Amino acid sequence: GAVVSQHPSWVICKSGTSVKIECRSLDFQATTMFWYRQFPKQSLMLMATSNEGSKATYEQGVEKDKFLINHASLTLSTLTVTSAHPEDSSFYICSARDPARARTEAFFGQGTRLTVV
Amino acid sequence: SQQGEEDPQALSIQEGENATMNCSYKTSINNLQWYRQNSGRGLVHLILIRSNEREKHSGRLRVTLDTSKKSSSLLITASRAADTASYFCATKGNAGGTSYGKLTFGQGTILTVHP
Repeated sequence: GAVVSQHPSWVICKSGTSVKIECRSLDFQATTMFWYRQFPKQSLMLMATSNEGSKATYEQGVEKDKFLINHASLTLSTLTVTSAHPEDSSFYICSARDPARARTEAFFGQGTRLTVV
Repeated sequence: SQQGEEDPQALSIQEGENATMNCSYKTSINNLQWYRQNSGRGLVHLILIRSNEREKHSGRLRVTLDTSKKSSSLLITASRAADTASYFCATKGNAGGTSYGKLTFGQGTILTVHP
């Protein structure tokens, strides 16, 4: 199946610093990628839809200035958590769909565990 | 907000037993998908059922969909310890455009299979 790679797998940062998370589609071109956030033992909450070459679409309640998304190429989307605070600590997961495939399943990255201290 | 609700929230069974998880949703859908997540990892797609389908099988998995009740169930037969994971249903709405591929996830069921 299609592969989506997310990096880093985990990161610890100090309060006030910024952290960048990368999401790459390795064997297909993804015009759209999705960023989710997941708290322990909870479901995935969609944060934003990343569109190649245009501005991301953020879900209600998600601060676009805090969670910067850049989708500069068909295989890479980045999520930057700016001025991170401990409450931003969470598991962040990206997904992408291969438009060339007939099925509509989404392929997920392995996730990034962010801990802000 | 998540529109899907799953029950049970947690399920603990012995190896060899069957595990049944249920999912309900609120809006009309194009398809419903089930995903598996091992602790601290990404999601793996298990099976997709379209809105015009009622039942689908894949190996030890059986999925049903009742659009009149807006519900779905996932049955794992002859469970194994390696099936221990969280299971999520996800729905894809009928809207197209930039919403294409956008999934709404249920709350998930934590399945523990004891050897």
